[in-house]
Amino acid sequence: GENVEQHPSTLSVQEGDSAVIKCTYSDSASNYFPWYKQELGKRPQLIIDIRSNVGEKKDQRIAVTLNKTAKHFSLHITETQPEDSAVYFCAEPGAQKLVFGQGTRLTINP
Amino acid sequence: DVKVTQSSRYLVKRTGEKVFLECVQDMDHENMFWYRQDPGLGLRLIYFSYDVKMKEKGDIPEGYSVSREKKERFSLILESASTNQTSMYLCASKRGVGYTFGSGTRLTVV
Repeated sequence: GENVEQHPSTLSVQEGDSAVIKCTYSDSASNYFPWYKQELGKRPQLIIDIRSNVGEKKDQRIAVTLNKTAKHFSLHITETQPEDSAVYFCAEPGAQKLVFGQGTRLTINP
Repeated sequence: DVKVTQSSRYLVKRTGEKVFLECVQDMDHENMFWYRQDPGLGLRLIYFSYDVKMKEKGDIPEGYSVSREKKERFSLILESASTNQTSMYLCASKRGVGYTFGSGTRLTVV
């Protein structure tokens, strides 16, 4: 079945620096890869996603890159700000459901 | 905007009690899901449903059951609560690929 490995589990960066979180997936037929952000005490919310027909997608300070050959995709956050502190989850579509990675706790240090 | 509402934010129940967690969505979505979230383990799928009265086991269904009598409502049932079911429970619904999560129910079993 589908399996998603997410790294690192925790990440601490200085405000203004960049952060990168990587996920490796198992099903080469997967064609949709979302990223969710969960702030403390709140629900996970979709922040960006990518489909397999493109290699990169950007939305202001966040971007997602996809390498289908290596079966991994990454979240990039540039010019990090305190409000970027959260837990981030990647996911891979399974049969009628999403399979989530283990999550990355990102802390932005002032 | 899709709304997914979980009836309780916090619950404290005793070992052996039967517990009902309720989830309601207002956008006529076919698919609904129950996940539990534990530190370091990410989001693990308990059960999901793709139509009224239909249910499918997820990755960790043991100790749980579900009910979907109406399209908008998906209930998670702990037949006999145990301390290892202390967790954050998240409901979600979707149409197409996009998930919308509820705010979560933090259940403590004592």
